[in-house]
Amino acid sequence: QKEVEQNSGPLSVPEGAIASLNCTYSDRGSQSFFWYRQYSGKSPELIMSIYSNGDKEDGRFTAQLNKASQYVSLLIRDSQPSDSATYLCAVMWGVKLSFGAGTTVTVRA
Amino acid sequence: EAGVAQSPRYKIIEKRQSVAFWCNPISGHATLYWYQQILGQGPKLLIQFQNNGVVDDSQLPKDRFSAERLKGVDSTLKIQPAKLEDSAVYLCASTLAQGAPSTDTQYFGPGTRLTVL
Repeated sequence: QKEVEQNSGPLSVPEGAIASLNCTYSDRGSQSFFWYRQYSGKSPELIMSIYSNGDKEDGRFTAQLNKASQYVSLLIRDSQPSDSATYLCAVMWGVKLSFGAGTTVTVRA
Repeated sequence: EAGVAQSPRYKIIEKRQSVAFWCNPISGHATLYWYQQILGQGPKLLIQFQNNGVVDDSQLPKDRFSAERLKGVDSTLKIQPAKLEDSAVYLCASTLAQGAPSTDTQYFGPGTRLTVL
């Protein structure tokens, strides 16, 4: 059973701070990694994808991947109230995508 | 580009009744997925189609759930008979899946919220 583990939440951060989300996965054979954001009552929407070791930045979001440690993270800089959501880490093995349980982030104004 | 379409958006049924959900993926997307998301959990894959063939249905409760994608485009997921624990959001997703990792991104539909009473 391929597993994806995320740090337990909820995570509460003040507006303007950095939110740090972590994810570990069980199988070294995975090749694609994704972060999805899911607002309450809505479907997941992709915010970041990363395929190789290192950092990938997109606006206020930075994804970090370390395949040797089987670890992927997401940093949200300058957190805004609109960032309040559940963040899902997803890892692809072959053609199958497995999700973590999600970390709920609340940004305090 | 139109997104993944799903219907109905909401459904309330009593246990032991049957229900069906429909999904139309993004045009040209070969791979279609059905997920079950129970409140407070991440999506769990039920079945994956590549064109009209099943790639993975290992987590589909086949005694009550069935799915088809006859023409390799839209798909239906059926539950018969429903149980209380089937109450969840059923998400459909699609991906281009042309072999390169950049084509692996899954795009989700709005989901169908099922309540079984």
